[in-house]
Amino acid sequence: ETVMTQSPTTLSVSPGERVTLSCRASQSVSSSLAWYQQRVGQAPRLLIYDASTRATGAPARFSGSGSGTEFTLTISSLQSEDFAVYYCQQYNNWPPWTFGQGTKVEIK
Amino acid sequence: QVQLVESGGGVVQPGRSLRLTCAASGLAFSSYGMHWVRQAPGKGLEWVAVIWSDGSNKYFADSVKGRFTISRDNSKNQVYLQMNSLRVEDTALYYCVSAAGSFDNWGQGTLVTVSS
Repeated sequence: ETVMTQSPTTLSVSPGERVTLSCRASQSVSSSLAWYQQRVGQAPRLLIYDASTRATGAPARFSGSGSGTEFTLTISSLQSEDFAVYYCQQYNNWPPWTFGQGTKVEIK
Repeated sequence: QVQLVESGGGVVQPGRSLRLTCAASGLAFSSYGMHWVRQAPGKGLEWVAVIWSDGSNKYFADSVKGRFTISRDNSKNQVYLQMNSLRVEDTALYYCVSAAGSFDNWGQGTLVTVSS
């Protein structure tokens, strides 16, 4: 099983700041990596797929990078609606499809 | 737009069964693999099961293997999760997800509570 590890667990940020979230895979997942945003009380929403491609409707301030085992999600200027939990997920080595434990982005 | 609507959740005693249904609209349903993903209260996301677009392949998480089955009816645009021998640790919000690689579209979930 490919274990996905996200860091940090929690990030306290002020609106307008640049944010970088990390995700590491226990073995290579090539570029088969997605990022999801989950706001409180809502279902997860696809933000980034194939490591760096923005999903339909995802704002341009979100960008993804990386390949192999190291990945990053960057939010260029944090908006109020971006306070949420972010999950990475690999879909290269299955089954199972595996998620990271999540990074909570909270208001500083 | 794509809509995935789950139903069938509820409160059930340990050892009993429950069948979840996901009704899909706004997508070429028969072209998509369909997954179930669950989220225990206050916890992260856990993949549960998948069925291929034509139903030819099915996979399950080790935590549910042998207890859960997945099926679909492409004529009705529906996917099902049959959950048998339920355990307290199966308590979660169950999401239906359509996927073409990444998990593109998510339903709002249906809550399953296993409690005596």
